[in-house]
Amino acid sequence: NAGVTQTPKFQVLKTGQSMTLQCAQDMNHNSMYWYRQDPGMGLRLIYYSASEGTTDKGEVPNGYNVSRLNKREFSLRLESAAPSQTSVYFCASNRRSDLAGLTGELFFGEGSRLTVL
Amino acid sequence: RKEVEQDPGPFNVPEGATVAFNCTYSNSASQSFFWYRQDCRKEPKLLMSVYSSGNEDGRFTAQLNRASQYISLLIRDSKLSDSATYLCAVKTGAGSYQLTFGKGTKLSVIP
Repeated sequence: NAGVTQTPKFQVLKTGQSMTLQCAQDMNHNSMYWYRQDPGMGLRLIYYSASEGTTDKGEVPNGYNVSRLNKREFSLRLESAAPSQTSVYFCASNRRSDLAGLTGELFFGEGSRLTVL
Repeated sequence: RKEVEQDPGPFNVPEGATVAFNCTYSNSASQSFFWYRQDCRKEPKLLMSVYSSGNEDGRFTAQLNRASQYISLLIRDSKLSDSATYLCAVKTGAGSYQLTFGKGTKLSVIP
């Protein structure tokens, strides 16, 4: 079972370049999330999509855009990369739109390590 | 005050020891609580949900204290394989569609 698949796994960019991180899940989940993880900062939510056709900002959305292409795919775009966006990016999904009750388990992809020079 | 706070550690404990982690949350409307485990350079994975009455899964016990707004994770008889970073996660209120994570507590179990 593939679960949540992220591409690319590694990327090096120069300041000002753009790129898109791709995420796809094969679990028929409704909600999808993009987090970034930095040393000493923990996981911080960038954007999320509670269901197909909706997206909302999380804690640190500046410098990013997202697209919920369909139920399976949720992409994260950096339009003009900055060194401060050097991080590990995780995509996650959940079968529900509202993380109701104790079914709030997020299934994470393996992460995408991005370095901006 | 951060929404979810954890002691970053590291906690270095010998095999067989008992270790406890705490996690405090600021929003009293928070409803659901979880502990995740993250191995080095890997993705987080759910360790256990935290029930209101507390719950146990083998050597792991999770507790919730709503009055003091914290959750705890107790690991008994620590194994080398328990070495990881433990993240608490909190979901706040109805209509909220996200989990907020603590920064994680790093545990190293030493032979």
